[in-house]
Amino acid sequence: GAGVSQSPSNKVTEKGKDVELRCDPISGHTALYWYRQSLGQGLEFLIYFQGNSAPDKSGLPSDRFSAERTGGSVSTLTIQRTQQEDSAVYLCASSRDSHYGYTFGSGTRLTVV
Amino acid sequence: GQNIDQPTEMTATEGAIVQINCTYQTSGFNGLFWYQQHAGEAPTFLSYNVLDGLEEKGRFSSFLSRSKGYSYLLLKELQMKDSASYLCAVRTTSGTYKYIFGTGTRLKVLA
Repeated sequence: GAGVSQSPSNKVTEKGKDVELRCDPISGHTALYWYRQSLGQGLEFLIYFQGNSAPDKSGLPSDRFSAERTGGSVSTLTIQRTQQEDSAVYLCASSRDSHYGYTFGSGTRLTVV
Repeated sequence: GQNIDQPTEMTATEGAIVQINCTYQTSGFNGLFWYQQHAGEAPTFLSYNVLDGLEEKGRFSSFLSRSKGYSYLLLKELQMKDSASYLCAVRTTSGTYKYIFGTGTRLKVLA
């Protein structure tokens, strides 16, 4: 597609429920990243995909968080048994060439109540 | 550890020039990026420096000194639409292209 697409744009969920966040990167971008932005905090790296594999998942905060990417394209970030501290904006970005930086999606605002 | 520092907030007047500083201490360095983020929107790429010196793109310029762990973003002829957060990010390895982000500088442009 023309840009990085994320869905849903907003998600309100009850504590303890599972949620799935979707990212559709720019066509042809082999690198895909998930970041989290909490209020007053910098963007926090979660996981990096190159193709379908995740050579760096060092930022996933706990085993409740997992992500996959299929067909070298769409990625899904899953948070199980959500907690209130998971409330944040989850941003996906893709990259073709490191000289031009990432292209970010508009994010999913997750609120856990 | 990894640390990136930027001022939290700055205010400037329309038409003026503003310089946003960023200092970093990271375990490796493979490029410094500046992003602009309007409230409620995704960050958008502004500039990239990997070698020392000044990169100019229209009203925006970015400077890097690797020996000092220092960068700045210079915005000229400020416009109201430049009111946004400006994020400094360092890429620490060439393999994963992972960035470490600062907390951002919120710039307010006043008429």
